[in-house]
Amino acid sequence: DAKTTQPTSMDCAEGRAANLPCNHSTISGNEYVYWYRQIHSQGPQYIIHGLKNNETNEMASLIITEDRKSSTLILPHATLRDTAVYYCIVRGRNTPLVFGKGTRLSVIA
Amino acid sequence: GAVVSQHPSWVICKSGTSVKIECRSLDFQATTMFWYRQFPKQSLMLMATSNEGSKATYEQGVEKDKFLINHASLTLSTLTVTSAHPEDSSFYICSVPSGTRETQYFGPGTRLLVL
Repeated sequence: DAKTTQPTSMDCAEGRAANLPCNHSTISGNEYVYWYRQIHSQGPQYIIHGLKNNETNEMASLIITEDRKSSTLILPHATLRDTAVYYCIVRGRNTPLVFGKGTRLSVIA
Repeated sequence: GAVVSQHPSWVICKSGTSVKIECRSLDFQATTMFWYRQFPKQSLMLMATSNEGSKATYEQGVEKDKFLINHASLTLSTLTVTSAHPEDSSFYICSVPSGTRETQYFGPGTRLLVL
């Protein structure tokens, strides 16, 4: 079973920041927080991951709370091509990814 | 560029036939690969872990005799759906751990339709 809770769906205006929340209150000390997204009819795409520090890359930023029980994925300037299902996954280093239901993000023009 | 490829990208077959799906790791040598399937409007479900040089590990409820996995080399794993039935119609996706095993990269998926 997935160890995370995400809203079912969210809307975001094009050009604005999209903030996607995730709760993972049972996360263990050696588990990472991963974010993937899946655009319709494609394989999942890796976005970002972190352990306890905030992370940023060319796609997004990941903000993890100090107690590590929740996190937020930030897409700084959402475009129509960011419309996808976003999965927040908690995972130990050598275990396969287990997907929950994710958040369906719709970016609206 | 693509890190993982799958072939074919889609396939239609008759009920009772077998279908082989290939997953290739283009950038990493992979002693482990993962197979997932996804039914319409559902999330990805892990089917099995493919292990190079040894038997695959199947998740609960996945029939190992129906979904044959062969990890032929460090860059190739195949999934064969034997005696396919319409309920096996799904989107099959493989993934490969990165060299450091910190991330997994996914293939583009294979859409199977069994008539």
